[in-house]
Amino acid sequence: EAAVTQSPRNKVAVTGGKVTLSCNQTNNHNNMYWYRQDTGHGLRLIHYSYGAGSTEKGDIPDGYKASRPSQENFSLILELATPSQTSVYFCASGGQNTLYFGAGTRLSVL
Amino acid sequence: QQQVRQSPQSLTVWEGETAILNCSYEDSTFNYFPWYQQFPGEGPALLISIRSVSDKKEDGRFTIFFNKREKKLSLHITDSQPGDSATYFCAASGGTGGYKVVFGSGTRLLVSP
Repeated sequence: EAAVTQSPRNKVAVTGGKVTLSCNQTNNHNNMYWYRQDTGHGLRLIHYSYGAGSTEKGDIPDGYKASRPSQENFSLILELATPSQTSVYFCASGGQNTLYFGAGTRLSVL
Repeated sequence: QQQVRQSPQSLTVWEGETAILNCSYEDSTFNYFPWYQQFPGEGPALLISIRSVSDKKEDGRFTIFFNKREKKLSLHITDSQPGDSATYFCAASGGTGGYKVVFGSGTRLLVSP
């Protein structure tokens, strides 16, 4: 069974602080993705990766960095968190045309 | 600029009725269109998908109708059940976008018993 694990599941951060969201997959998929989900906007692509060492900008990359140190791990980094980044973040890994999502991280920036 | 649009935002049907969820896209090079189902507190999961070479894909009570010329597709859920109550996302990928997967804003479906 494909498995994508996100940590932490919930996070409260302060404005201006640094936040790192982590994602681990055991699917051996080359492609990994970070999305944020907000009411009325659906899932919006922040960054994605084709493999270890690669990161690509998605549709809303401003204010976010990504890191793919290995096939299994893909992190999303908010260097200076802002309240507008309060959202639910989903990581996914891509098989042959199918994305497998983690359970999400609920981030609140106060 | 939203590349994938969905309507309606929310939909309520009675148990046993057919629910119709609509989707349209802008990039004519997209060639793969999955629909994902999401229950509260969970990540989305693939429900059914279609490639642009087909005009219809069926899987049990779920059917995708695809119109390449109009760049539109729809998901029909026949004999809707309360357990189908969820948010449904239309997505698109392929073509010049490569493995980039773009999602619509979702349709929240409620099936009343």
